[in-house]
Amino acid sequence: EIVMTQSPATLSVSPGERATLSCRASQSVSSNLAWYQQKPGQAPRLLIYGASTRATGIPARFSGSGSGTEFTLTISSLQSEDFAVYYCQQYNNWPPSLTFGGGTKVEIK
Amino acid sequence: QITLKESGPTLVKPTQTLTLTCTFSGFSLSTSGVGVGWIRQPPGKALEWLALIYWDDDKRYSPSLKSRLTITKDTSKNQVVLTMTNMDPVDTATYYCARVLTGTTDAFDIWGQGTMVTVSS
Repeated sequence: EIVMTQSPATLSVSPGERATLSCRASQSVSSNLAWYQQKPGQAPRLLIYGASTRATGIPARFSGSGSGTEFTLTISSLQSEDFAVYYCQQYNNWPPSLTFGGGTKVEIK
Repeated sequence: QITLKESGPTLVKPTQTLTLTCTFSGFSLSTSGVGVGWIRQPPGKALEWLALIYWDDDKRYSPSLKSRLTITKDTSKNQVVLTMTNMDPVDTATYYCARVLTGTTDAFDIWGQGTMVTVSS
């Protein structure tokens, strides 16, 4: 099973600053990588798919990059509504599995 | 408008079988490329994918839970059902269903609100 490792576990950032979140796969997942945002008491929301494509309605300050085993989610200028937990997820076709990372909590510094 | 909603018991006893239903609207599970999956989240912990069923009845399961899971669909009712056998307190979690569109996002693009299931005697 492909293991997804996110770092750091917690990121303290001031509003207006840039946040950079990392996700590493234990083996190549090509560009089959998604990022989700989850706020307390809410279901996750899709932000990025295909490693770098923003989902419908997602602001341009969110960007994704990477391929293979190393991926990054960047939030260019953090807004108050961006403080949340972020998860990466791979959806590689073979072996057939879908796995999530452990999450990165972005908190106010 | 696309919606999904989970339903099922809020409390189950250890060793019992859990049956959860995802009822959706705004799309059809008979349309090529569409899938519906189940994901769970123990309190304060990360997301864990459980199972996924596609429009062509192809089914995928988490390797670690495969022996305990069964996913089925009823296209006429717009429902997907997940059964999990031999429930244990560690299975206490919020259970979500979500839609997948293969060939486009290939990710869970629309999620239900989730349903909390507690396993306790």
